[in-house]
Amino acid sequence: ETGVTQSPTHLIKTRGQQVTLRCSSQSGHNTVSWYQQALGQGPQFIFQYYREEENGRGNFPPRFSGLQFPNYSSELNVNALELDDSALYLCASTQWAGSGNTIYFGEGSWLTVV
Amino acid sequence: QQQVKQSPQSLIVQKGGISIINCAYENTAFDYFPWYQQFPGKGPALLIAIRPDVSEKKEGRFTISFNKSAKQFSLHIMDSQPGDSATYFCAARYSSASKIIFGSGTRLSIRP
Repeated sequence: ETGVTQSPTHLIKTRGQQVTLRCSSQSGHNTVSWYQQALGQGPQFIFQYYREEENGRGNFPPRFSGLQFPNYSSELNVNALELDDSALYLCASTQWAGSGNTIYFGEGSWLTVV
Repeated sequence: QQQVKQSPQSLIVQKGGISIINCAYENTAFDYFPWYQQFPGKGPALLIAIRPDVSEKKEGRFTISFNKSAKQFSLHIMDSQPGDSATYFCAARYSSASKIIFGSGTRLSIRP
């Protein structure tokens, strides 16, 4: 049990649509990151939020955006969905990123774009 | 740009044997090297981690060997059990950041 909860667990969207994925972290975890894991591959870092501000981003276009809220929840929004966006989206949280604190992953949201 | 290279892609080991997964990294600024275990339908779970100032770390049946000069590290699973069957990812990160660079994964199957 990691204390990181994601919703929905599975969803299907049509190309061009928009999707919002949600994550609830442990109390006190003020750093949250989102990862994309395509089938058969390792997770790829999308971006990180610290105290409600984005402070790191991977190689993903601006149509991937996020929000972090004071209640330790966060969102990943993807606009203009493409077929290649089909993947498992993982939320990860930690108390703070210093000193190699353990990062806890949720079980992910499976997104299928058709 | 693949900053963490992992091999083999898949591995089959007999129950009771030793499973060995190898990784190599490029960026010498990385200072924290975790290994994650992922079961189907689940998120990655931290298995064991090491810092580059240590050459070996052991936790139960799991051991990380680290070679800083070669920029390589490996996971050894002793007395492998069917319950160890999962996908394993090596990874690297800066201890001051939460961005994790994952390897491509190794699908491990332990035969009874």
